[in-house]
Amino acid sequence: QVQLVESGGGLVKPGGSLRLSCAASGFTFSDYYMSWIRQAPGKGLEWVSYIGEGGSPIYFADSVKGRSTVSRDNAKNSLFLHMSSLRADDTAVYYCARASFGTYFQFDSWGQGTLVTVSS
Amino acid sequence: SYELTQPPSVSVSPGQTARITCSADELPKQYAYWYQQKPGQAPILVIYKDTERPSGIPERFSGSSSGTTVTLTISGVQAEDEADYYCQSADSSGTYVVFGGGTKLTVL
Repeated sequence: QVQLVESGGGLVKPGGSLRLSCAASGFTFSDYYMSWIRQAPGKGLEWVSYIGEGGSPIYFADSVKGRSTVSRDNAKNSLFLHMSSLRADDTAVYYCARASFGTYFQFDSWGQGTLVTVSS
Repeated sequence: SYELTQPPSVSVSPGQTARITCSADELPKQYAYWYQQKPGQAPILVIYKDTERPSGIPERFSGSSSGTTVTLTISGVQAEDEADYYCQSADSSGTYVVFGGGTKLTVL
């Protein structure tokens, strides 16, 4: 079955950086668009970024644009998010999500998320 | 920036019908999707492309679209349907994804 497992979350100081990973299994990873979506504590869902099957196109939400990169390693079935210049409002659970085959943003599978806390 | 507007909360008694709306001017240009999220869990897709239901989602969940509003309808609400529901779409170019603010469904 489809499985997405995020890792790399934790406590980060303001201005710091982090690298999140998402390990995928149970499907042909290289056939699917992937996204990062986050949820601040007690708040709603916020799309962060998506990346095409082969590594492009790549798009970011305005809230993280310019201080984030997203990449994937199809040989290792892995998705990555690197964020820098972290702020308190980046504190959230970060989910990786798979878009349904042939779509960009119909999210049919989600990981359980990894919590990122930005605090001094 | 593009925003999807949902009511913050909806309350219904068991067995009644719950309707959750989502509105935005650009909704006619892109499909809408609905997700259910229970506390401490990841979201689950319950409606895609405005009206389609994924396999495994109960038939009581349905979606509709009219103009700039899409609606998630849950017929014969059950206690287990109590959750947050989010609509999602994209801007007209399909470049940027957007979620509504979420609606908390309370089963009285």
